[in-house]
Amino acid sequence: KAGVTQTPRYLIKTRGQQVTLSCSPISGHRSVSWYQQTPGQGLQFLFEYFSETQRNKGNFPGRFSGRQFSNSRSEMNVSTLELGDSALYLCASSTARPDTEAFFGQGTRLTVV
Amino acid sequence: DAKTTQPNSMESNEEEPVHLPCNHSTISGTDYIHWYRQLPSQGPEYVIHGLTSNVNNRMASLAIAEDRKSSTLILHRATLRDAAVYYCILRTQAGNMLTFGGGTRLMVKP
Repeated sequence: KAGVTQTPRYLIKTRGQQVTLSCSPISGHRSVSWYQQTPGQGLQFLFEYFSETQRNKGNFPGRFSGRQFSNSRSEMNVSTLELGDSALYLCASSTARPDTEAFFGQGTRLTVV
Repeated sequence: DAKTTQPNSMESNEEEPVHLPCNHSTISGTDYIHWYRQLPSQGPEYVIHGLTSNVNNRMASLAIAEDRKSSTLILHRATLRDAAVYYCILRTQAGNMLTFGGGTRLMVKP
């Protein structure tokens, strides 16, 4: 079956702009979670969506937001970009059961200049 | 907050077994122990998971202590392709997010 697809793979934006990243989960998975990975902070949880509802949110400012559509595809948005937002953004797809695995996409590499 | 503790790095020789330890002293009865690894420039990939009993799959084995406060990921014969950061994570009933700690960077020497 097809894996988790994240688009775009690479993105360069200017400070102050906004960006939208997309994640298409594995068919049948209703849970999508997002993570930010930076060299200094490692992998940090951003938020999780299940059946179009945000169930959990990490400790990130309100500039980071997301949503999930009825087909389980998810988007995350970062407004008023800062240099520190440069990171690899990963999404994971799962059934939400703790006894099953999560599948990660290849990530979107965002560079803010 | 991360609920697991792992060594920052470990080194192994190619074709030798590797034991990667993880402490999770605050684990609750319904938490599953998951291991993921991240190869350079890739997203994390699932390795193995377990609840109470030891588990084996084609990639690795997972040995879980009787009190479940620690576990060990065992790679039976390390290859150069196994060089990665290995993360031990507790997956709970309460939420579907994965809380990553720093992981263990495994270096494999030829």
